[in-house]
Amino acid sequence: DQQVKQNSPSLSVQEGRISILNCDYTNSMFDYFLWYKKYPAEGPTFLISISSIKDKNEDGRFTVFLNKSAKHLSLHIVPSQPGDSAVYFCAASFTGNQFYFGTGTSLTVIP
Amino acid sequence: KAGVTQTPRYLIKTRGQQVTLSCSPISGHRSVSWYQQTPGQGLQFLFEYFSETQRNKGNFPGRFSGRQFSNSRSEMNVSTLELGDSALYLCASRDRDRRSPGYGYTFGSGTRLTVV
Repeated sequence: DQQVKQNSPSLSVQEGRISILNCDYTNSMFDYFLWYKKYPAEGPTFLISISSIKDKNEDGRFTVFLNKSAKHLSLHIVPSQPGDSAVYFCAASFTGNQFYFGTGTSLTVIP
Repeated sequence: KAGVTQTPRYLIKTRGQQVTLSCSPISGHRSVSWYQQTPGQGLQFLFEYFSETQRNKGNFPGRFSGRQFSNSRSEMNVSTLELGDSALYLCASRDRDRRSPGYGYTFGSGTRLTVV
C-alpha cells in the first residue's frame, strides 16, 4: 500500500517559469516531510524539509507547502533552471521512524 | 566529511546465487537504512539498523537480510537471487536526532544489481 503518492510521473517546464511538484499522503500520523532530488546514476540528495507544525518552508528558489487537512505536499521551484532537471521524490515519516517515499516525478526544464 | 560509500557500484549475478552489498555511513551516523529502487516503484524500504540492531523492516521476503557492525558499517545480503531482484540498491545514513540539521537521509550512489 503506497502511503506516499506522486501522481505525475513527469513534468516539463520552460526555463524561468515555476515548477510545481505534488505529493499526496494517506497517513495522518506523518509529521515530517522531505523532498529529494536524484540525478541518473547518483543517490538522491536532500533538498528541503518541513515539519507538520509548519505550512511553508523556503530555501532560496525552493519552497515546500504543506496542507495537512488535504494531506498534500507541494514543492515550488522558482525560477526553474535547466540544472533542476532531475527526478524528485517526496518522503514522509512519523516519530523518526522509516521514511516512506513516493514513486518520483521526473522534471525537465526546457532552455 | 566523507559521504556514504557503497560498494560495489555494479554487480551482475545469476539466478539462484547470493550477493552481499556493503555500505559505509557518514562518520558519526549510527543509523543506516537500505532501499530498493525499481522503475515505477520508487524507493522501497528494506530495513534500518541503528547501533547494530534492526529497528525497522520493510515488506520484503526473508531472502533479504542485513546487519550492522560496531563501526556502523552495514551489509545487505540477498540469497537465492531472482530476476525481479534486479534494481538499484541504495544505502542511506542519518543522525537520528531530529534536532540535528542533517536529520534526513544522506544517500550513497547505490549498487546497481543485475540478475541474469
